[in-house]
Amino acid sequence: EAGVAQSPRYKIIEKRQSVAFWCNPISGHATLYWYQQILGQGPKLLIQFQNNGVVDDSQLPKDRFSAERLKGVDSTLKIQPAKLEDSAVYLCASSFSDAMNTEAFFGQGTRLTVV
Amino acid sequence: AQSVTQLGSHVSVSEGALVLLRCNYSSSVPPYLFWYVQYPNQGLQLLLKYTSAATLVKGINGFEAEFKKSETSFHLTKPSAHMSDAAEYFCAVSRYNQGGKLIFGQGTELSVKP
Repeated sequence: EAGVAQSPRYKIIEKRQSVAFWCNPISGHATLYWYQQILGQGPKLLIQFQNNGVVDDSQLPKDRFSAERLKGVDSTLKIQPAKLEDSAVYLCASSFSDAMNTEAFFGQGTRLTVV
Repeated sequence: AQSVTQLGSHVSVSEGALVLLRCNYSSSVPPYLFWYVQYPNQGLQLLLKYTSAATLVKGINGFEAEFKKSETSFHLTKPSAHMSDAAEYFCAVSRYNQGGKLIFGQGTELSVKP
């Protein structure tokens, strides 16, 4: 079974530039998450989708971050404009459902460096 | 609000020694608890999860964790450390009635000395 795919693996941009990350979840997984992991910290949820609808985006800095999951499969996360503090690993995860005890499967992440 | 605290950002053990990684949670209702492992430049992999079926949970790679409600703890243990266990370990909790999203602790980096 293929895992969660993310691209690119690494990205370096200058502040105020824009960047986009792509995620392809495990086939059949209705729930998709984007987490931000700053160096030395645990992942923090940015946004959760259930199929193509947003369940929770309360921690997403909406003035600069946006995300979509068209057709309820692939998802993209965009940052525009980027700030230095956005340097982090962005992890995509998917699960079969949004039940509390459902295992989330994580991709390898995209490491973003903003200079 | 639910939160997770991992005591010790770095733990170092000798190969063959006991591994003990500490996790305490705060929750007004019994939570679902998870331990994830992250190897360098990799995503997170589930080690084990507590879902109220049994207080002692066995996971992959010889790890286990015990849920202690009286201590609000969910510590991770392994009787004998192996060099391949060196990684970052995260304890996480599911938020009650908020879907499957996870709240993570800050992580504990495990080093294993030969």
